[in-house]
Amino acid sequence: GAGVSQSPSNKVTEKGKDVELRCDPISGHTALYWYRQSLGQGLEFLIYFQGNSAPDKSGLPSDRFSAERTGGSVSTLTIQRTQQEDSAVYLCASSLAWGVGELFFGEGSRLTVL
Amino acid sequence: AQTVTQSQPEMSVQEAETVTLSCTYDTSESDYYLFWYKQPPSRQMILVIRQEAYKQQNATENRFSVNFQKAAKSFSLKISDSQLGDAAMYFCAYRTPSLAGGTSYGKLTFGQGTILTVHP
Repeated sequence: GAGVSQSPSNKVTEKGKDVELRCDPISGHTALYWYRQSLGQGLEFLIYFQGNSAPDKSGLPSDRFSAERTGGSVSTLTIQRTQQEDSAVYLCASSLAWGVGELFFGEGSRLTVL
Repeated sequence: AQTVTQSQPEMSVQEAETVTLSCTYDTSESDYYLFWYKQPPSRQMILVIRQEAYKQQNATENRFSVNFQKAAKSFSLKISDSQLGDAAMYFCAYRTPSLAGGTSYGKLTFGQGTILTVHP
């Protein structure tokens, strides 16, 4: 695609529910990144993919968070049993390869957990 | 671990004037990259300018320029002739080259951000 696409743009859910956030990177970009931006905070690195593999999962805040990427393209970030502290904007970015080139960001998915 | 600090939570400037946003970082590496990203209300992060640490010359992109002081680990952004469209949150970011090895290299580390308001 022309840019990084994320869906949904906004998601409101109840505490305890599972949510899935989707990221469609720029075509041809092999690296994909997930960041979390809490209100008034900077960007917290969650996980990155090079192709379909995720060498570094240390940024995921808890075992309720998981991410996968299939076909070297679309990625899904899943949050199970959501908590109020999970409320944030989840930003996805892609680049030509890990650590190479500029990161292009999507517009993010705003998650609100009631 | 590398850290990036932006000490100004908020800044304001009059339209057509100049403003400087501060950023400091901590690293033991000699080769790295520094970036300034802009995040308007649309939430999409946009790259404003980048600087390679091995280059002594400060990067410039139109009205945007940086003052890179490697020894002081300082990387400030100067916006000249400020425009209303410059209003946004600005993030300073740091990255080491992935070729340096290890999975932590290549990761982009962001500061806390500075909200810039431009007054007409």
